[in-house]
Amino acid sequence: EDKVVQSPLSLVVHEGDTVTLNCSYEVTNFRSLLWYKQEKKAPTFLFMLTSSGIEKKSGRLSSILDKKELSSILNITATQTGDSAIYLCAVETGANNLFFGTGTRLTVIP
Amino acid sequence: EAGVAQSPRYKIIEKRQSVAFWCNPISGHATLYWYQQILGQGPKLLIQFQNNGVVDDSQLPKDRFSAERLKGVDSTLKIQPAKLEDSAVYLCASSLMINTQYFGPGTRLTVL
Repeated sequence: EDKVVQSPLSLVVHEGDTVTLNCSYEVTNFRSLLWYKQEKKAPTFLFMLTSSGIEKKSGRLSSILDKKELSSILNITATQTGDSAIYLCAVETGANNLFFGTGTRLTVIP
Repeated sequence: EAGVAQSPRYKIIEKRQSVAFWCNPISGHATLYWYQQILGQGPKLLIQFQNNGVVDDSQLPKDRFSAERLKGVDSTLKIQPAKLEDSAVYLCASSLMINTQYFGPGTRLTVL
């Protein structure tokens, strides 16, 4: 059975802190790993990772995939209150769909 | 560019009643997805359409859930009859490719 596990489940930090969110997976046919940010309701796309060791970066967010360890991390530096959200990790499988983890709820307090 | 539209945004029904949700994808997006997101969990794919054909409905509880996309554009998801455990946010997404899914605002269903 395909599995995507995220940790921690929730995290509370102060503005300016750096956070690292983890995602590990066990799937039968891996194609890519995606990170989404979910505020209110609709998840919004952050990154897609297909190759090991290549960092994707967007502003204060960055992510990297480790296919050997079947995992990925999402880093956020100099956190802001606007970063408060649920961060979802999803794996695209050979069945051509996305399998989501339960998410990490990040709360950034001023 | 207009995003994925969904309606209604909220719905409260009693168990055993029926409910229908509507989704209009981004123009030109051939692939449409319905997800169920229960509180505290990640979205779970219910059904995936490619144009008006079903690609994957393996996780759709077919005894009570049905979905259609007759003209290959907008789609409806129906639950009949609803159960308490169907309370969730129902997300619709569309894409040109699998890895660029755009999500709608969702419909929050509460079954009493």
